[in-house]
Amino acid sequence: SQQGEEDPQALSIQEGENATMNCSYKTSINNLQWYRQNSGRGLVHLILIRSNEREKHSGRLRVTLDTSKKSSSLLITASRAADTASYFCATDASNTDKLIFGTGTRLQVFP
Amino acid sequence: DAGVIQSPRHEVTEMGQEVTLRCKPISGHNSLFWYRQTMMRGLELLIYFNNNVPIDDSGMPEDRFSAKMPNASFSTLKIQPSEPRDSAVYFCASSFLAGPTDTQYFGPGTRLTVL
Repeated sequence: SQQGEEDPQALSIQEGENATMNCSYKTSINNLQWYRQNSGRGLVHLILIRSNEREKHSGRLRVTLDTSKKSSSLLITASRAADTASYFCATDASNTDKLIFGTGTRLQVFP
Repeated sequence: DAGVIQSPRHEVTEMGQEVTLRCKPISGHNSLFWYRQTMMRGLELLIYFNNNVPIDDSGMPEDRFSAKMPNASFSTLKIQPSEPRDSAVYFCASSFLAGPTDTQYFGPGTRLTVL
């Protein structure tokens, strides 16, 4: 079964608006990562947040992590049409080198 | 750096044929991962190698699938015989693991269609 589940499955917004995607996971983790996938392309790493961190920023991206709720959120501020993509969270399965990817959120940003 | 290189980018074959997908990881990375992505099942980890040794192949769907990593700069994923349900996009990713799971760098993928 999936370790991570994203919510919502799909999100449509206008350029300039903020987009928030959520990820819930099941077991304890060392870190959580967010990846973006443009249509027809491979996944691209966006940001990694470690289990002892609560919030992290990278440009227009803000990631939060709540280990007590086993959840994370990705906020994209001032969205652009180029942000249109699928976004996946990924967690490491305990004591392994594997990443378990969630089901993804499809974000559509309209100009 | 050229990033992770995969070939071919597209493969169309007939049921029963052998398919070989190739991957060149980023130089210096010590781990390599093969994934399969479909609409129905999402992104699934098939197998991963660390220092050219297969560590976990529990995601390999069945004996028709095999993967090798003869050296640090090359890996293959083979399907023999192929079936229509193997149609998917297959991604290779590499990373440098120095502790807990770290960032993975994905190739562009191979889109496989089995008729």
